[in-house]
Amino acid sequence: DAGVTQSPTHLIKTRGQQVTLRCSPISGHKSVSWYQQVLGQGPQFIFQYYEKEERGRGNFPDRFSARQFPNYSSELNVNALLLGDSALYLCASSRIQGARSGNTIYFGEGSWLTVV
Amino acid sequence: AQKVTQAQTEISVVEKEDVTLDCVYETRDTTYYLFWYKQPPSGELVFLIRRNSFDEQNEISGRYSWNFQKSTSSFNFTITASQVVDSAVYFCALSEGISSGSARQLTFGSGTQLTVLP
Repeated sequence: DAGVTQSPTHLIKTRGQQVTLRCSPISGHKSVSWYQQVLGQGPQFIFQYYEKEERGRGNFPDRFSARQFPNYSSELNVNALLLGDSALYLCASSRIQGARSGNTIYFGEGSWLTVV
Repeated sequence: AQKVTQAQTEISVVEKEDVTLDCVYETRDTTYYLFWYKQPPSGELVFLIRRNSFDEQNEISGRYSWNFQKSTSSFNFTITASQVVDSAVYFCALSEGISSGSARQLTFGSGTQLTVLP
């Protein structure tokens, strides 16, 4: 089975533009989470979706939004890009929400966003 | 609030040496999970281990071993006989809120860059 797939893998945007990042979870997984990883730091939680509903949100401005589709894939949107939004954006999927026993959280390879 | 501290920013060892990566966590919850992930240059976070707060039994998996001590809020990771392929950034992470059913996110440390030299 395919792992968590993300697209695009790399992109460059200009300040003020908008970006959409896409994630396809592992088949059978209904929970998708998004993390931002700035260079030299650990990933920071942005959103978690389960069964197409937002179940958790990290400390990010309203310029960040996301949604989950009926097939459980997800999109992360960032509006009015700032230089500080340059980061690796990681998508994670799991069968159910949360880090319970038997519910391993798997990550994709991420989308590298550079804002110039 | 939950917090994970990895005080070692970078570690460099020669192949076949043993190396221990330190992780200290803070949480108010009595029920929580701790994790280690490995991040190679490709960017993908590779799951290594999960341990719940009620299970302090140390674990060994091949060349990897983990030492969980609630008394010191530590969850350290040891690689025995390190290999060049072990070179990566290693992250410790915490998920709390399980007792309330609200476990939804991982809180990561800042990572430790491990370089294994041939």
